[in-house]
Amino acid sequence: NAGVTQTPKFQVLKTGQSMTLQCAQDMNHEYMSWYRQDPGMGLRLIHYSVGAGITDQGEVPNGYNVSRSTTEDFPLRLLSAAPSQTSVYFCASSYTPLQVNTGELFFGEGSRLTVL
Amino acid sequence: AQSVSQHNHHVILSEAASLELGCNYSYGGTVNLFWYVQYPGQHLQLLLKYFSGDPLVKGIKGFEAEFIKSKFSFNLRKPSVQWSDTAEYFCAVNAGQTGANNLFFGTGTRLTVIP
Repeated sequence: NAGVTQTPKFQVLKTGQSMTLQCAQDMNHEYMSWYRQDPGMGLRLIHYSVGAGITDQGEVPNGYNVSRSTTEDFPLRLLSAAPSQTSVYFCASSYTPLQVNTGELFFGEGSRLTVL
Repeated sequence: AQSVSQHNHHVILSEAASLELGCNYSYGGTVNLFWYVQYPGQHLQLLLKYFSGDPLVKGIKGFEAEFIKSKFSFNLRKPSVQWSDTAEYFCAVNAGQTGANNLFFGTGTRLTVIP
């Protein structure tokens, strides 16, 4: 069982370049989300999706786009990368609502992005 | 707006010492509270969670946390730490809206355990 898979694990971009961070899960989870992790700031929610065809913004959505065409995949797009987007990005998914006893988010291993 | 505060940024302990990491949140409604751990180079893993009922929650690897509603706190404890507990610990809050699985994280506490 692969769980939540993120690619690439490392990426270096130049300012203004575009790229897509891939996230796939094989657990049939309806809910998926993207967080960025910055030193001293913890994890902040970028975008999330409660199911195929449905996406919404989190705390820090500017500069990022998402789509959810299938249950399994939730790619994060940077259309014009900026140095402020240098960060570690985590994808997470869940099946059960967090409001029940067994609810939890499952995280991928992260993607480290550097924008020069 | 919701916020989560972790006042200890870096904690250094010797093996067998007791651990308590503070977590306070600001949200007046129903909350679900989490502690996640991130070992060096790895992804976040759930340590424990408060859902409802007994405010003392026991998690994996001997960790426990106590939910004190009047203090808006959810402190993490372990009676005797091991070198393998070296990691970063994150407190997180879910506001309790059904179907909204978004978590608000604290800034994290780095724990270093010296053998």
